[in-house]
Amino acid sequence: GQQLNQSPQSMFIQEGEDVSMNCTSSSIFNTWLWYKQEPGEGPVLLIALYKAGELTSNGRLTAQFGITRKDSFLNISASIPSDVGIYFCAGQPQSGYALNFGKGTSLLVTP
Amino acid sequence: KAGVTQTPRYLIKTRGQQVTLSCSPISGHRSVSWYQQTPGQGLQFLFEYFSETQRNKGNFPGRFSGRQFSNSRSEMNVSTLELGDSALYLCASSLRAAEGTEAFFGQGTRLTVV
Repeated sequence: GQQLNQSPQSMFIQEGEDVSMNCTSSSIFNTWLWYKQEPGEGPVLLIALYKAGELTSNGRLTAQFGITRKDSFLNISASIPSDVGIYFCAGQPQSGYALNFGKGTSLLVTP
Repeated sequence: KAGVTQTPRYLIKTRGQQVTLSCSPISGHRSVSWYQQTPGQGLQFLFEYFSETQRNKGNFPGRFSGRQFSNSRSEMNVSTLELGDSALYLCASSLRAAEGTEAFFGQGTRLTVV
């Protein structure tokens, strides 16, 4: 599978700031998923997107499925220290079932 | 509802040995996928099973194999271990096989090859 382009690679922000990260692909995906991974743990699903243009929220998190089906973004509002972790985007292609992952955005939040 | 369970959590093996990792999916989930996570390559797809059949395979050598049992539990095996096989191996389960379903991950098995 292809590697998705996820940016930024890392972010170092202050508590209370908003965060935005995005993921792009050269291929079309039917599904976009966003995960958060903390040290020593497996990725935890945050948001799933199934339709182009779809905007979905989960608490302070909001994600959108790009209209071209080749990109997605994740916003975190009013960040808190427990938001620290690595955020991964994953796309599921039309033709198969494997998830293609970005390399992750490492988020650090200072109190 | 119990999540995805992977055992063991940690393993240390010697080069040339083989290893078997186990994954119990969420109850009712029939699709199980395996991924390898390394700092350099990120998360890479190994294979996916549905109803005991391997439906998809990633670009890994034949030393990596897997199977799924009738209760949807899955195992993956790595033979003739190499130092480069050191990684976090993650299992993900999905409710059904169709595209557009969420994949839930276990905590992973940390394999160290020495």
